[in-house]
Amino acid sequence: GAVVSQHPSRVICKSGTSVKIECRSLDFQATTMFWYRQFPKQSLMLMATSNEGSKATYEQGVEKDKFLINHASLTLSTLTVTSAHPEDSSFYICSARDLDGRKISTDTQYFGPGTRLTVL
Amino acid sequence: GQNIDQPTEMTATEGAIVQINCTYQTSGFNGLFWYQQHAGEAPTFLSYNVLDGLEEKGRFSSFLSRSKGYSYLLLKELQMKDSASYLCAVSDSNYQLIWGAGTKLIIKP
Repeated sequence: GAVVSQHPSRVICKSGTSVKIECRSLDFQATTMFWYRQFPKQSLMLMATSNEGSKATYEQGVEKDKFLINHASLTLSTLTVTSAHPEDSSFYICSARDLDGRKISTDTQYFGPGTRLTVL
Repeated sequence: GQNIDQPTEMTATEGAIVQINCTYQTSGFNGLFWYQQHAGEAPTFLSYNVLDGLEEKGRFSSFLSRSKGYSYLLLKELQMKDSASYLCAVSDSNYQLIWGAGTKLIIKP
């Protein structure tokens, strides 16, 4: 249980294009999903917290208009990197928090496998 | 401010035991998590402590002392596949996870 999928796993795109990444909780409902970015040999950096049916809360320094987040249902959140540039190349990871606490705790975040974005 | 400290890197020998420490200072406390992250992969959940004491799960154990703001992850009978980064994270008063920078564990034969 507590499986989170992420699609695509890897994407290469040209500078200026937009890329959409999907995050799904497969066997549980998640009112809250999180989007992280990780550069090589660095720790996770929280970008935004996504709550189902409401606007995402972005961390300081993360551009809302560049990283569009939609959390349309209890099992799906999407991150769209708009007008991507080479400096946006990174490993993007989503996580979901189990709603009903049947898992270890309601705080436990379960991670998707990540999406490696390369912008040429 | 909120702060999580853990060593940057540790080296251990296959078959041995290693302890990875984590100290924290956060606004409130609602539990401490340990995650394992292999290079190029996403983190996977290892353990959760909210009460003081030791939680054992197979070869891995996690300890918490809330009064000291301290936790450790103990790995026994080390295997080469245990080479990874180990992330300590604390849930603060707003149930937001505060992440440590991670400890890179290198296992040598």
